[in-house]
Amino acid sequence: NAGVTQTPKFQVLKTGQSMTLQCAQDMNHEYMSWYRQDPGMGLRLIHYSVGAGITDQGEVPNGYNVSRSTTEDFPLRLLSAAPSQTSVYFCASSQGQPYNSPLHFGNGTRLTVT
Amino acid sequence: KNQVEQSPQSLIILEGKNCTLQCNYTVSPFSNLRWYKQDTGRGPVSLTIMTFSENTKSNGRYTATLDADTKQSSLHITASQLSDSASYICVVSAVVGSGGGADGLTFGKGTHLIIQP
Repeated sequence: NAGVTQTPKFQVLKTGQSMTLQCAQDMNHEYMSWYRQDPGMGLRLIHYSVGAGITDQGEVPNGYNVSRSTTEDFPLRLLSAAPSQTSVYFCASSQGQPYNSPLHFGNGTRLTVT
Repeated sequence: KNQVEQSPQSLIILEGKNCTLQCNYTVSPFSNLRWYKQDTGRGPVSLTIMTFSENTKSNGRYTATLDADTKQSSLHITASQLSDSASYICVVSAVVGSGGGADGLTFGKGTHLIIQP
C-alpha cells in the first residue's frame, strides 16, 4: 500500500493564481481531511470529509474548496492564492472517526505564494 | 477553549541519552491522547494512543504516560538514536461535539528533538 499520496511536493504561486493540491489514499478509508502546518502553530484543520459526496468545513476553511467524488481522492483547491496561504499542507485519512482512529498523513505539499 | 501545551519547545541531547517530553491539556471531556512523530519533510506518524484508563504504554524505546487527574502526559525516549531526531506532536481527542476542532482533535505545537552524535 502506498498509503496517502500528495502531489506536488513543492509549489510556488503568484498572488491571485489558483491551483489544486492532489491527495489520494489506497486504504479504503472513509474519513479524509486537509491540514495546514505553520511555524510555531499546531496543525489546523481546513476541510474534512466523512465519505464520498460529503464535505464540511474545519477551523480555517476560507480561501479553500474541496470535493470528494470518490473514496480515494480528496483534492484541495486554492481559488485565488494569497501570501497568507504560504504553508505546508497535509492530507490525512483514517479508518474510522479521527477522534478514535489514528490519522495517516501524506508527506505534505510545501506551498509558497509570492 | 480546549488547549494542548507541549514542553520543551526544542531539545538537544546526545545519542544514547534518555529524554522526556511533556504534554499538558485542558481538553474536556477527554477521549484519548496520541503521540505522533514527524520526521523532517514527512507527515506525522502515530506512535501510541493513551485512553482514560491507561497510565503507561510502551512502544519499543518509547514509553508514554498519562495522568488523567492532572491532565498531563509524557513521552519518554530511552537510549536515544540519531533516527529519533524529529518533532513529537501531542494530539488530544475530545468527545465529538464538545470541543476541539470539527474533527474532535486539538493539536499541540510539538517538541523539536535533535539527537547529536
